[in-house]
Amino acid sequence: GAGVSQSPSNKVTEKGKDVELRCDPISGHTALYWYRQSLGQGLEFLIYFQGNSAPDKSGLPSDRFSAERTGGSVSTLTIQRTQQEDSAVYLCASTPGGLAGSTYNEQFFGPGTRLTVL
Amino acid sequence: KQEVTQIPAALSVPEGENLVLNCSFTDSAIYNLQWFRQDPGKGLTSLLLIQSSQREQTSGRLNASLDKSSGRSTLYIAASQPGDSATYLCAVVYVGAAGNKLTFGGGTRVLVKP
Repeated sequence: GAGVSQSPSNKVTEKGKDVELRCDPISGHTALYWYRQSLGQGLEFLIYFQGNSAPDKSGLPSDRFSAERTGGSVSTLTIQRTQQEDSAVYLCASTPGGLAGSTYNEQFFGPGTRLTVL
Repeated sequence: KQEVTQIPAALSVPEGENLVLNCSFTDSAIYNLQWFRQDPGKGLTSLLLIQSSQREQTSGRLNASLDKSSGRSTLYIAASQPGDSATYLCAVVYVGAAGNKLTFGGGTRVLVKP
């Protein structure tokens, strides 16, 4: 009965370095989302995975951002050549079903990864 | 543009007073609306989920109403306690959004004074 887990909880990196953030969704949840919470920007959608379908990347802010989901479970968000404006809390969420309007669409969030780019 | 707005941005009340938090959304074509609580440095905890066909949801001291036609939701917290101090976020799933992508409001930061 574990919830959504994310690692690391905190990450400090230097500008220009690459970082990887990991998300373990709730077992059996088919849909997975990444969001970003920046100071003064609120929470914004980044990317969405549903089962084995191609992800919806419409929220990714630049081509330095990418994500993958292996085996329909664990997801990794990668930020290449990090910039100071990438500093934020990155949140992952999962839902039992991903179909729009589905009754099984309550989103459960992980604790987030706080990324600081120096 | 499909947006979600929460007013006020911050609220301070004495313990025992009822809390009323407002959320408005620009497009009435939504699948559902969800209220979350966020404590400092923590993730989001889901409080209530209201489907578009519902008018309200209740859980303990919490009650959330939904008026789709006017684009509004209100979260009521009865008999507030210092432990209710947190940021409260509302989010909607708009029809046509990717899967069940949430569009968030900016949040209301609540302080309940003992």
